[in-house]
Amino acid sequence: DQQVKQNSPSLSVQEGRISILNCDYTNSMFDYFLWYKKYPAEGPTFLISISSIKDKNEDGRFTVFLNKSAKHLSLHIVPSQPGDSAVYFCAASVLIGGADGLTFGKGTHLIIQP
Amino acid sequence: NAGVTQTPKFRILKIGQSMTLQCAQDMNHNYMYWYRQDPGMGLKLIYYSVGAGITDKGEVPNGYNVSRSTTEDFPLRLELAAPSQTSVYFCASSLGGHRRSTIYFGEGSWLTVV
Repeated sequence: DQQVKQNSPSLSVQEGRISILNCDYTNSMFDYFLWYKKYPAEGPTFLISISSIKDKNEDGRFTVFLNKSAKHLSLHIVPSQPGDSAVYFCAASVLIGGADGLTFGKGTHLIIQP
Repeated sequence: NAGVTQTPKFRILKIGQSMTLQCAQDMNHNYMYWYRQDPGMGLKLIYYSVGAGITDKGEVPNGYNVSRSTTEDFPLRLELAAPSQTSVYFCASSLGGHRRSTIYFGEGSWLTVV
């Protein structure tokens, strides 16, 4: 049973436009969310995170929005660049008894078209 | 600037064989993790450690063992390999857990069990 869902396996966006990647979650106990970017044959790299006490977090071209009532978050990349072509993973966590694990979605493959 | 180093990068095992995936980090991080990623799926936590001498199970620990005798090293042992353990394995580390510090991933170890 997937607790973190990324329903779009792939997304194609033109260079310079906005890329919007979506993520839904089912566990209402999740209170911390992260986005990771992964190139082929490399490990994931951290992009941006957001705590459930906020509804928006911005870092340069990357903005994450959190809608707790809808159990939905999205990652906006503006403007999209060729180097943004990668697989993006949404991840979530809940702090129970000091555990530090992340629950990942399946990922969305973002393709930036020139 | 090594970061998180995993060896081997590729390995083919026969059913029933055992092996150890090595992981070392040179950032003096307290937290270390092992994740696996099956094709088309998100990463799943196998084991993690919050410091030398302390380990704990993640979401999918069956068939694996870990130890943390030093801060730098966090080997993952596969006993009696099964085809279901065919996956890409990622080791990761962070200074203080993902809510307070960035998790850095290694490049991955591709394991095939035949």
